[in-house]
Amino acid sequence: DGGITQSPKYLFRKEGQNVTLSCEQNLNHDAMYWYRQDPGQGLRLIYYSQIVNDFQKGDIAEGYSVSREKKESFPLTVTSAQKNPTAFYLCASGQGRGMYTEAFFGQGTRLTVV
Amino acid sequence: SQQGEEDPQALSIQEGENATMNCSYKTSINNLQWYRQNSGRGLVHLILIRSNEREKHSGRLRVTLDTSKKSSSLLITASRAADTASYFCATVRKTNDYKLSFGAGTTVTVRA
Repeated sequence: DGGITQSPKYLFRKEGQNVTLSCEQNLNHDAMYWYRQDPGQGLRLIYYSQIVNDFQKGDIAEGYSVSREKKESFPLTVTSAQKNPTAFYLCASGQGRGMYTEAFFGQGTRLTVV
Repeated sequence: SQQGEEDPQALSIQEGENATMNCSYKTSINNLQWYRQNSGRGLVHLILIRSNEREKHSGRLRVTLDTSKKSSSLLITASRAADTASYFCATVRKTNDYKLSFGAGTTVTVRA
């Protein structure tokens, strides 16, 4: 089955720890995205990548880091520098230069700081 | 910063009625997209309208785009309980990049 997979579904982090959220797609898409969603709010862009080994900061990149070593994978690390990391994290992918087509979303990872 | 802003924030309608929500954006766009999100889930793409298009239909969905006003509307006709969800608009800028920016969304509740 083609699609985009996020893992884990739920993640708990102690204060001061780094955690990495996984995002894998087998759709052969060039573009991948990470968004953060807080309760009752919209999606805010953290990082996005147009091609392997290249990525750009979104609107709220501070306290996060990413890598794009393979086309199908775009992991997000939430570092200890992110002061309020509790949120729902969504990964997406899309194809076509300029995002001329739809984006496909994973089912999300809910991160909670304990 | 959010590129798109939806209006209203929340909408409650009776089954069978139409639901209309609006999206305004700030910069010139290549295209505008509408997505649906059921509670606690990922987003599902509904429809994409390009900057040179004015109206598009898909089943019970009708989307309009007015680039002079930098606004779009999504109409859901003959709503059903299953249409209860949050709806988001997203824009791709005119510049040649892949940035996909979302608005805050409209929460639609369809009462049986």
